[in-house]
Amino acid sequence: QLQLQESGPGLVKPSETLSLTCTVSGGSISSSSYYWGWIRQPPGKGLEWIGSIYYSGSTYYNPSLKSRVTISVDTSKNQFSLKLSSVTAADTAVYYCARSQTTSYVDYWGQGTLVTVSS
Amino acid sequence: DIVMTQSPDSLAVSLGERATINCKSSQSVLYSSNNKNYLAWYQQKPGQPPKLLIYWASTRESGVPDRFSGSGSGTDFTLTISSLQAEDVAVYYCQQYYSTPLFTFGPGTKVDIK
Repeated sequence: QLQLQESGPGLVKPSETLSLTCTVSGGSISSSSYYWGWIRQPPGKGLEWIGSIYYSGSTYYNPSLKSRVTISVDTSKNQFSLKLSSVTAADTAVYYCARSQTTSYVDYWGQGTLVTVSS
Repeated sequence: DIVMTQSPDSLAVSLGERATINCKSSQSVLYSSNNKNYLAWYQQKPGQPPKLLIYWASTRESGVPDRFSGSGSGTDFTLTISSLQAEDVAVYYCQQYYSTPLFTFGPGTKVDIK
């Protein structure tokens, strides 16, 4: 059974860079059939897709966040990572890593990790 | 960008009654080459990640009770819970994946018991 697990600091200071890693187990991140992505959810609000990466390293970002987002993949560790720069309180959210099939929907989600931006 | 809207924002339904949630996309998510609607529905309970219920607008995910059904095509879609159960209290989101991997979600509809 595929599992995704987010890890990283739960508290980030304003103007700094948020960094999270998603570890994939029970399946290979190098499969050509999937994208690996990040989705966030501010407290009490809806879901916002941040971006996705293919195992080859091709990336796709939400235009509204593109200038601040970097997603990378480490196939040797079966992990992919998110960096979001110049964070503000508006970036406080539960961050989910997720898998989607190359031509379709998100089928696996991590449990999510709350990141709070505060001094 | 494809913008997704949902209605209503919230609804309260008596146990055993029908709940209907609407989702509209700003452009068609029907891919003409395969006649598939690139639309999914998710259920999210407090403290949990979203759970896939329906994909291709009307295909139920394995293990999802058959009281959940999806319908619609093009730009207008509906999620129906035919007989609401207590465990169905949740927020429901539609999502387009026509522009995959660039996804957009609807704002969500909260379903409660009346």
